[in-house]
Amino acid sequence: GQNIDQPTEMTATEGAIVQINCTYQTSGFNGLFWYQQHAGEAPTFLSYNVLDGLEEKGRFSSFLSRSKGYSYLLLKELQMKDSASYLCAVRDNDYKLSFGAGTTVTVRA
Amino acid sequence: EPEVTQTPSHQVTQMGQEVILRCVPISNHLYFYWYRQILGQKVEFLVSFYNNEISEKSEIFDDQFSVERPDGSNFTLKIRSTKLEDSAMYFCASSEYSGLAGSEQFFGPGTRLTVL
Repeated sequence: GQNIDQPTEMTATEGAIVQINCTYQTSGFNGLFWYQQHAGEAPTFLSYNVLDGLEEKGRFSSFLSRSKGYSYLLLKELQMKDSASYLCAVRDNDYKLSFGAGTTVTVRA
Repeated sequence: EPEVTQTPSHQVTQMGQEVILRCVPISNHLYFYWYRQILGQKVEFLVSFYNNEISEKSEIFDDQFSVERPDGSNFTLKIRSTKLEDSAMYFCASSEYSGLAGSEQFFGPGTRLTVL
């Protein structure tokens, strides 16, 4: 089965940094994805890791350790528009994504 | 920028009725997916589709569900006899490749299905 865990909620101040952790235990591994989802909207792709290490993309970075079954998403210079749910998803074979429950990030002024 | 589109944005139906949810994937994409998200819950995989056949389906995708690519652009999800617990947001997604590096899935805006 698939087990993908991430914190339910996080709160941070505008301009700060927030790190969202994700741990996973899945039957296979073919990449880890982070998506952003605003309430009532579709998930939008943020980042992808398939090898260990850090991937940086502007204000967002994502890290993966396959041996530990662990990833994090780092959001820097937080803006109010970053208030959203952040979904960790594992592609465990060629075709499907298995999602965590999502972490709701609230950015306060 | 190309995007996945879905119609309708909201569908209300009576229990036991059939519904068809429509999607137009990104034009050069070859892999298509349906996911659903019950309110307040996580996104769940339903089915993937490639080369005019189902590649994989979840345990949720039982005999009341079917998918079809009736022409070169549309991808549909049919629910034959809807139940109350089918009420959810249904997302269509597509990707250019599958199983390869960087092959992210792009999601459509979703169809909110309400079964009364």
